[in-house]
Amino acid sequence: DAKTTQPPSMDCAEGRAANLPCNHSTISGNEYVYWYRQIHSQGPQYIIHGLKNNETNEMASLIITEDRKSSTLILPHATLRDTAVYYCIVRVHTGTASKLTFGTGTRLQVTL
Amino acid sequence: KAGVTQTPRYLIKTRGQQVTLSCSPISGHRSVSWYQQTPGQGLQFLFEYFSETQRNKGNFPGRFSGRQFSNSRSEMNVSTLELGDSALYLCASKVGQGGSPLHFGNGTRLTVT
Repeated sequence: DAKTTQPPSMDCAEGRAANLPCNHSTISGNEYVYWYRQIHSQGPQYIIHGLKNNETNEMASLIITEDRKSSTLILPHATLRDTAVYYCIVRVHTGTASKLTFGTGTRLQVTL
Repeated sequence: KAGVTQTPRYLIKTRGQQVTLSCSPISGHRSVSWYQQTPGQGLQFLFEYFSETQRNKGNFPGRFSGRQFSNSRSEMNVSTLELGDSALYLCASKVGQGGSPLHFGNGTRLTVT
């Protein structure tokens, strides 16, 4: 699986949009971009994933650049409960698909 | 629908002992994976089971083993515990072997003294 690079930490004011970047310049054509987050003392929570088109669900939006070398996770109206470590992962949809390689992620701090 | 359930939530063991952790996946999910999380190494893949067969294995010693039952429930076992095995052990399930998202439980916190 391709490696990803994320900033170690970010701050966001409550109510504002949180934009979390991820660089995956070595991504291959059959690798998807996944985002998970982990709130303290809980297991990672799936947020969203995509291949090349932008995706949106009830939690967030995923914007993938045209060359697929980077992506941005957008939390449109961040709340204090969104404070967590966010992981960007790229992986193929094959038999090894459960073997996720987690990096160090971005620690998002949402403040009043 | 109930999420992934892991028991026990906390466990304290002594060096040299063995331990068994249990995981009940989301109903209908047939693939179960296990991960170890430590402050130093982060989240690391242990192994994956599907239809009672181990499909993938991470880079851990043979002291770490697992199994899956016909109802998809899974257990992992660590024998001859070492201090370095202290970690949060996470179980995750998904529908099949393809690219569907993993859904994680809240883990079992193992402390080895």
